[in-house]
Amino acid sequence: KAGVTQTPRYLIKTRGQQVTLSCSPISGHRSVSWYQQTPGQGLQFLFEYFSETQRNKGNFPGRFSGRQFSNSRSEMNVSTLELGDSALYLCASSLGLLNTGELFFGEGSRLTVL
Amino acid sequence: AQKVTQAQTEISVVEKEDVTLDCVYETRDTTYYLFWYKQPPSGELVFLIRRNSFDEQNEISGRYSWNFQKSTSSFNFTITASQVVDSAVYFCALLTSGTYKYIFGTGTRLKVLA
Repeated sequence: KAGVTQTPRYLIKTRGQQVTLSCSPISGHRSVSWYQQTPGQGLQFLFEYFSETQRNKGNFPGRFSGRQFSNSRSEMNVSTLELGDSALYLCASSLGLLNTGELFFGEGSRLTVL
Repeated sequence: AQKVTQAQTEISVVEKEDVTLDCVYETRDTTYYLFWYKQPPSGELVFLIRRNSFDEQNEISGRYSWNFQKSTSSFNFTITASQVVDSAVYFCALLTSGTYKYIFGTGTRLKVLA
């Protein structure tokens, strides 16, 4: 079955701009979570959505937001980009009711902020 | 506080050597789950194993084995007879029943040289 799909794979933005990243989970998966990966910081949890509701949130500023649609697809948005937002953004899906199982990751969207 | 520490930033071994990746975790929850994921150069993390806090049995899967010790809060991962295809970044992660947020370590980059 098709895996987790993230678009775009690569993008370059300048400071102050905003960006929207998209994630299509595995069919039947209702939970989608987002992570920011930077060198030295590992993976930092951004937020998790389940059935269109944000179920959990990490410690990121309000410039980072997300949403989930009725078909479980999810988008995350970063406004007023800063240099430090340059990172690999990973999306993961799971069946999701209690979210204690394995996560299925996409290949990520690599964002460069100039 | 909940935390995962992977003290080894990078390890290089020659093919066929055995290698152990260390993971130390911190949590006050009595119910929690531990994971290992592999991140090849393509970017997506691949699930390797999940252990819950009530199951301290060690696990072996082919060349991979995991040693879970609650007494030392460690969940170490050993690759026997390493191969070049094992080259990747390996992440240890903790999920507690208190928050249901995944906490990832900073990862260990393994390089297996031919």
